[in-house]
Amino acid sequence: ILNVEQSPQSLHVQEGDSTNFTCSFPSSNFYALHWYRWETAKSPEALFVMTLNGDEKKKGRISATLNTKEGYSYLYIKGSQPEDSATYLCAFYAGGTSYGKLTFGQGTILTVHP
Amino acid sequence: DGGITQSPKYLFRKEGQNVTLSCEQNLNHDAMYWYRQDPGQGLRLIYYSQIVNDFQKGDIAEGYSVSREKKESFPLTVTSAQKNPTAFYLCASSIFLQGAYGYTFGSGTRLTVV
Repeated sequence: ILNVEQSPQSLHVQEGDSTNFTCSFPSSNFYALHWYRWETAKSPEALFVMTLNGDEKKKGRISATLNTKEGYSYLYIKGSQPEDSATYLCAFYAGGTSYGKLTFGQGTILTVHP
Repeated sequence: DGGITQSPKYLFRKEGQNVTLSCEQNLNHDAMYWYRQDPGQGLRLIYYSQIVNDFQKGDIAEGYSVSREKKESFPLTVTSAQKNPTAFYLCASSIFLQGAYGYTFGSGTRLTVV
């Protein structure tokens, strides 16, 4: 079973702060890295799917970077708002013999205080 | 609107009983998945299916069974052989099995064994 780690486990910030968190994954057999936002009582929502080393994706105030050689991805939120409060999940896709399987990290719980 | 419907939202089961969780999608996605979430852990893959009448075991398939008789439907049966079935269950789908495409998730079913 592949190991995908997210840090920190939880984060409390004030409205307007910028924040970032990390997803670590195996650097071998990389195919894709997913980021999802999961708000309480809702379905997880896909933010980004990243496939290329050095890839950088942006969606509004949220952006993500990818380093496949060292096995990590950062998610950044600029000027956090209370509506950004959610659990942020990353998931690693290896392809090859793991065909069809996304391996998820345990998530980072973000709370943005007004 | 296209999406994934999971039912019921909450389910209570007596020990020793089998129970079936429903998952229906109208996105015309080929691949469907079942994940389980336990407190403090990442989503863990139970079963996945790429096409009708075909499915593969995930990392924690013991005590579970699935069927894929229609493209739209991927029900999960939690059998009495599952030793610790109390958990939150999420169904997901994607266009193709390979991981370069984001998943669409349902809103989940919380199963409690009483």
